[in-house]
Amino acid sequence: GAGVSQSPSNKVTEKGKDVELRCDPISGHTALYWYRQRLGQGLEFLIYFQGNSAPDKSGLPSDRFSAERTGESVSTLTIQRTQQEDSAVYLCASSLVRSGVWGDTQYFGPGTRLTVL
Amino acid sequence: AQSVTQLDSHVSVSEGTPVLLRCNYSSSYSPSLFWYVQHPNKGLQLLLKYTSAATLVKGINGFEAEFKKSETSFHLTKPSAHMSDAAEYFCVVTVNYGGATNKLIFGTGTLLAVQP
Repeated sequence: GAGVSQSPSNKVTEKGKDVELRCDPISGHTALYWYRQRLGQGLEFLIYFQGNSAPDKSGLPSDRFSAERTGESVSTLTIQRTQQEDSAVYLCASSLVRSGVWGDTQYFGPGTRLTVL
Repeated sequence: AQSVTQLDSHVSVSEGTPVLLRCNYSSSYSPSLFWYVQHPNKGLQLLLKYTSAATLVKGINGFEAEFKKSETSFHLTKPSAHMSDAAEYFCVVTVNYGGATNKLIFGTGTLLAVQP
């Protein structure tokens, strides 16, 4: 079946502009995650959505970052007034969340490479 | 707090020789541990995972890892490296307590090079 998809695959923007990144999770997956991967580094957790619960925003680096999710489908990550340090690959993942089960596999999308000039 | 430490940023092996990628974890709760692989210009792919069942976990492409609680380690091994194994490998732990976000905490990665 279809995996996690993200768009655009690449985005180049000028410092100070706003950008919007999109993620389509695997159908039926209730959990959705956003991560950031800076060049040469591991992934940093940004935000987590699970069903109708309040999202866990503990990883968002500043108030310029926000994300929304429509029901259990598409999510958008918005970065306002972009800075050069925002340049990174932004990865989305989705998973099932089963009651009493931990460590359900997260399936990753191909990412959006953001370059802020 | 949960964390992982990948002890080697770069590992180089010859084709046909064993691979060992080292990972140590820290967790206040029972961890779930994963190894992900990232090939150049490709997405992350799950190699294997440990979730409190058998301590020796077998994954795809001949990789396996052993969970050793006494050593807080989860090293990744493969008996014989193939050229296609050249990639970056991430050791990952997940928060594992009631009501918490199932977020992944990544190590900094180990870049595996395979020489012909």
